[in-house]
Amino acid sequence: QQQVKQSPQSLIVQKGGISIINCAYENTAFDYFPWYQQFPGKGPALLIAIRPDVSEKKEGRFTISFNKSAKQFSLHIMDSQPGDSATYFCAARATGGFKTIFGAGTRLFVKA
Amino acid sequence: SQTIHQWPATLVQPVGSPLSLECTVEGTSNPNLYWYRQAAGRGLQLLFYSVGIGQISSEVPQNLSASRPQDRQFILSSKKLLLSDSGFYLCAWRGEYTEAFFGQGTRLTVV
Repeated sequence: QQQVKQSPQSLIVQKGGISIINCAYENTAFDYFPWYQQFPGKGPALLIAIRPDVSEKKEGRFTISFNKSAKQFSLHIMDSQPGDSATYFCAARATGGFKTIFGAGTRLFVKA
Repeated sequence: SQTIHQWPATLVQPVGSPLSLECTVEGTSNPNLYWYRQAAGRGLQLLFYSVGIGQISSEVPQNLSASRPQDRQFILSSKKLLLSDSGFYLCAWRGEYTEAFFGQGTRLTVV
């Protein structure tokens, strides 16, 4: 119940295309869902986050879609660029909880 | 603003040698602190977390230990390294109303 399931494990997208990464959770106590971007040899960096009281949040080319009833959320990267090539982690945590639960990660490669 | 420092960036250690990785946070007080390990091409494995000085919670029984001697200092240690301890070690902090922020990581290779 503490897991966050992330798919796909890897993704190859053409430059200018849309990258879509999906995550699902079980624990209904989760109320904060961040996404992290990690470049090789670096620590993950917070990219965008959403709370379940909204169904969508957009920041530039990055959009989180959230479906509370299905307990699913996804990251869409519009107009994907080679510089977006990185590993992306979805995550979830509950207010007052000490631990952030991470998905297994998606390695994105954007072909020029 | 808050910053997190983690060192060293890379480390090569022989099997059986001790380990000490240090992480410090600036610009915040009483943060929650975390140590993660990431195997090559894999996800983040939570090793330890701490909610206060001297308070350590272990997630995975293993050859490592953690200590928090000061509010903004978190140390990962081992008395005798194993080959399986190789990996990318990440320190992170989280405030009460913030999400986790990671350090730049330490690449540990045990030979």
